[in-house]
Amino acid sequence: DTAVSQTPKYLVTQMGNDKSIKCEQNLGHDTMYWYKQDSKKFLKIMFSYNNKELIINETVPNRFSPKSPDKAHLNLHINSLELGDSAVYFCASSQAGQGATTTIYFGEGSWLTVV
Amino acid sequence: KNEVEQSPQNLTAQEGEFITINCSYSVGISALHWLQQHPGGGIVSLFMLSSGKKKHGRLIATINIQEKHSSLHITASHPRDSAVYICAVSYGNKLVFGAGTILRVKS
Repeated sequence: DTAVSQTPKYLVTQMGNDKSIKCEQNLGHDTMYWYKQDSKKFLKIMFSYNNKELIINETVPNRFSPKSPDKAHLNLHINSLELGDSAVYFCASSQAGQGATTTIYFGEGSWLTVV
Repeated sequence: KNEVEQSPQNLTAQEGEFITINCSYSVGISALHWLQQHPGGGIVSLFMLSSGKKKHGRLIATINIQEKHSSLHITASHPRDSAVYICAVSYGNKLVFGAGTILRVKS
């Protein structure tokens, strides 16, 4: 049973469209994250939620809106997609926050291509 | 300059070789993570360290807190070890990633 699962794995869409990526964790963790990996494989935090509350929002354009209906789910909605949004988006979870001594569990990634 | 620097950026090894990947950081940390990413795949947490040394199978991770340095060693490397290895450090409420080391093990 996958610990952190995200869908879809691959998404190709046109500029200007709105799309969502869903994430679920079955580990009972309190904290969930969205990370973006650029074309050079560099990872950066986008958002962090603790028990459905937004903790970190790292200067991400407001076209990106995370939604956490419960602590096991953190979805990412992107409005008006731009070419520069093409990247791999990773969902992750941990028991404590990412700055703590805690193992972080990642999903398989969602490959977004905007054309 | 990134708080986390990895070396080398690229590494090619022959099957069976002993491999070392290095990570240096510039801040006081609560933990250091080694992650593995296979091509087209997800990210797997290999180790989380706050001191000393950990071993899992053929993988060994060490950390020297005073020198702000960690190493990931792979013994008896195998082509299936080919992947990107990423060092990340936890401090404050942050997790900061290195740029990754691309490892290719040839048979």
